Amino acid sequence: EDQVTQSPEALRLQEGESSSLNCSYTVSGLRGLFWYRQDPGKGPEFLFTLYSAGEEKEKERLKATLTKKESFLHITAPKPEDSATYLCAVQTNTGNQFYFGTGTSLTVIP
Amino acid sequence: NAGVTQTPKFQVLKTGQSMTLQCAQDMNHEYMSWYRQDPGMGLRLIHYSVGAGITDQGEVPNGYNVSRSTTEDFPLRLLSAAPSQTSVYFCASRTYPDSSYNSPLHFGNGTRLTVT
Repeated sequence: EDQVTQSPEALRLQEGESSSLNCSYTVSGLRGLFWYRQDPGKGPEFLFTLYSAGEEKEKERLKATLTKKESFLHITAPKPEDSATYLCAVQTNTGNQFYFGTGTSLTVIP
Repeated sequence: NAGVTQTPKFQVLKTGQSMTLQCAQDMNHEYMSWYRQDPGMGLRLIHYSVGAGITDQGEVPNGYNVSRSTTEDFPLRLLSAAPSQTSVYFCASRTYPDSSYNSPLHFGNGTRLTVT
């Protein structure tokens, strides 16, 4: 069964304190892994797509990496405006469906 | 550029009532989909469509109907609302088929539905 698991469920960081969020997946065949940011009361906003193990993508203070079993979202020197829920999703080779994890709620304290 | 627009933003229904959640996109995306988001459950796919006249079921389709008569619109119908359908509903669209690799889903801002 295709499955996506994110950890931790919640993370509190001091401003400037770097950390990583984890997304582990078990799928029959990975076509792509996606990271999203979701603010309260809003829809998810696309951040990155990763396709193959070893790939890395960066955007401002965020860097996403991918291995054969998991992806990490590294947050370097976070600011309070980085506070949000971060979701990962996978698309498999077998169809048109995306499978989402339950997200990591990040709070960055000034 | 509006992207994906959902209406209404909030809705309260009584058990047994029916309603339609509206979704429209202006990006000329062939693929459109509906998700529900519940605490601790993540986003779960209800129905999706890869073009006008084509729909298919997702992970949790029971209690919901869809149709796709135009590229722009993909309404979600609840024929007889139940308390278990209390949730936040998101519509999402993407390019289809993919020209090379996958295009991401673009989401609306959701409809918060409460069924009493």
